Amino acid sequence: GAVVSQHPSWVICKSGTSVKIECRSLDFQATTMFWYRQFPKQSLMLMATSNEGSKATYEQGVEKDKFLINHASLTLSTLTVTSAHPEDSSFYICSALPSQGIGQYFGPGTRLTVT
Amino acid sequence: AQKITQTQPGMFVQEKEAVTLDCTYDTSDPSYGLFWYKQPSSGEMIFLIYQGSYDQQNATEGRYSLNFQKARKSANLVISASQLGDSAMYFCAMREGPTNAGKSTFGDGTTLTVKP
Repeated sequence: GAVVSQHPSWVICKSGTSVKIECRSLDFQATTMFWYRQFPKQSLMLMATSNEGSKATYEQGVEKDKFLINHASLTLSTLTVTSAHPEDSSFYICSALPSQGIGQYFGPGTRLTVT
Repeated sequence: AQKITQTQPGMFVQEKEAVTLDCTYDTSDPSYGLFWYKQPSSGEMIFLIYQGSYDQQNATEGRYSLNFQKARKSANLVISASQLGDSAMYFCAMREGPTNAGKSTFGDGTTLTVKP
């Protein structure tokens, strides 16, 4: 089956630093990947749609200069949280859309804690 | 208006019994897909079942079945013979449009607890 990995699975960083999260589709190519944010016991909030070779499309209210997304290849998208603050602490999940098939495949998520 | 509504924040079910998790949706697009995902405490999102808007029959996958009532715009998930490992958060989601290219909208989720 289709597998999506995320790295790191958890990270603790100090306020003001930047953190990069990687999302890889391991056995299929994905021209489109999604980045979500999830607070405890809440739903997934779509942050942005990442398209290979072009700029990401951000959802309303999401700061594109703070959450930098790069989709450099058909198997890799990265989310960089710049100048992180404690309020950025959250669970970040990526997903990838296969070119064929139904639905999206999710990564295992990255738990970010900013101290 | 919310596109996906899950009205049950929490549900309890006795082990080995069946349980129905409710989901209603709102769209004017004739082509759409409906999904159910399970999210255990580990956080990973596990795909359970899919129903296309043009599918004539209700989708089934093992112990999971989707009760699709198009006119009522509901897509309830039925889990039969509940197991302790079914305890998790369950999300209903909808993708609008005829292809797999669109983004999905998620409901607020239902936390299911299976009691021994």
